[in-house]
Amino acid sequence: GQNIDQPTEMTATEGAIVQINCTYQTSGFNGLFWYQQHAGEAPTFLSYNVLDGLEEKGRFSSFLSRSKGYSYLLLKELQMKDSASYLCAVRAGSNDYKLSFGAGTTVTVRA
Amino acid sequence: DTAVSQTPKYLVTQMGNDKSIKCEQNLGHDTMYWYKQDSKKFLKIMFSYNNKELIINETVPNRFSPKSPDKAHLNLHINSLELGDSAVYFCASSQDPPSGNVETQYFGPGTRLLVL
Repeated sequence: GQNIDQPTEMTATEGAIVQINCTYQTSGFNGLFWYQQHAGEAPTFLSYNVLDGLEEKGRFSSFLSRSKGYSYLLLKELQMKDSASYLCAVRAGSNDYKLSFGAGTTVTVRA
Repeated sequence: DTAVSQTPKYLVTQMGNDKSIKCEQNLGHDTMYWYKQDSKKFLKIMFSYNNKELIINETVPNRFSPKSPDKAHLNLHINSLELGDSAVYFCASSQDPPSGNVETQYFGPGTRLLVL
């Protein structure tokens, strides 16, 4: 099976930076995704990494190290609306589109 | 316009009943999925269809039967509902990527199923 680990909860202050780590052990690797899910809503796509390195998108950045089976999502200049669950997902296969998700990290932003 | 829509949004029913959840996407995508998110927020793939053909079928009780009448629709029928079926069910879709690329998945708003 696929094993994807991320911390359960994190708390940070408005305006600060938070880094959410994700480690994975999967049968293969064909891309890592980060999704944001607000309470009671659907997951929405944030970022995608398939090569090593940093991908930056505004206040959000995602990093991948395939050799270490490791990724992080960096949220900068935190806003109250960033309070949500952040899901790390790995696509292990090359012939199907199945994503295996971690349990999610609930980030709470405090004023 | 809603890209991926599901009905109903809420479903409360008795154990033993049979129910269906419907999903439609207007994105022109080729692949659709059903996920289950339990109370611990774990999102798990159940089924996936590509151009009406079943391509992913995880270890799911055979009480769950997906049906794809066309590539824009993927419905989920559940027979003999059990207490443990209570969860949020998300539909998602994605486009067939060009070879070597990966396409993101777009999720519907979810159907909150409560079995009493």
